[in-house]
Amino acid sequence: DTGVSQDPRHKITKRGQNVTFRCDPISEHNRLYWYRQTLGQGPEFLTYFQNEAQLEKSRLLSDRFSAERPKGSFSTLEIQRTEQGDSAMYLCASSLAGGGTEAFFGQGTRLTVV
Amino acid sequence: GDSVTQMEGPVTLSEEAFLTINCTYTATGYPSLFWYVQYPGEGLQLLLKATKADDKGSNKGFEATYRKETTSFHLEKGSVQVSDSAVYFCALDASGNTGKLIFGQGTTLQVKP
Repeated sequence: DTGVSQDPRHKITKRGQNVTFRCDPISEHNRLYWYRQTLGQGPEFLTYFQNEAQLEKSRLLSDRFSAERPKGSFSTLEIQRTEQGDSAMYLCASSLAGGGTEAFFGQGTRLTVV
Repeated sequence: GDSVTQMEGPVTLSEEAFLTINCTYTATGYPSLFWYVQYPGEGLQLLLKATKADDKGSNKGFEATYRKETTSFHLEKGSVQVSDSAVYFCALDASGNTGKLIFGQGTTLQVKP
């Protein structure tokens, strides 16, 4: 297993365009998380899935954001009508279910909205 | 709400110096506590963790002790190396079961030869 992979690594888009990011978790992990990290800050939780069910969404996740994990494996995060304030690093992590378990992070997708 | 506060960086040390990065938290209940490290160009990696009061997490010469009375989880290393240069994040999981992490803002460590 090569760990958590995210695609693309970098995305530059014009304001108002839609973008979609993909995350492939570690294969046996049933939990998948999305975080957003802006420069100089720690990651902020956006949403998480257990298998294919989206169990929690942060208030940070506006109506323009949607995440899916259709078969309980890979996940996509879509941002519609991007705004400059969406520019950030989007991180995906996966883990096994249970409190205190280790989350494994991908290298992230850096989004720049121009 | 739950939160994590880390000492501001950057922290610049000479090789073999002693390292402390302070981390305090606010949480209801009994969170699990973590230190993650981000090396240049790489993803976040778990460095160590502690799941209950008085537990000591350790890895690669780094240590942190879960202090409930002071709500702290300070990271220490007796002798840093140039290869320890990275950004260090303190985090907590107060959810009990979801694994959702709340991170501090990160502390950049630069170790000079």
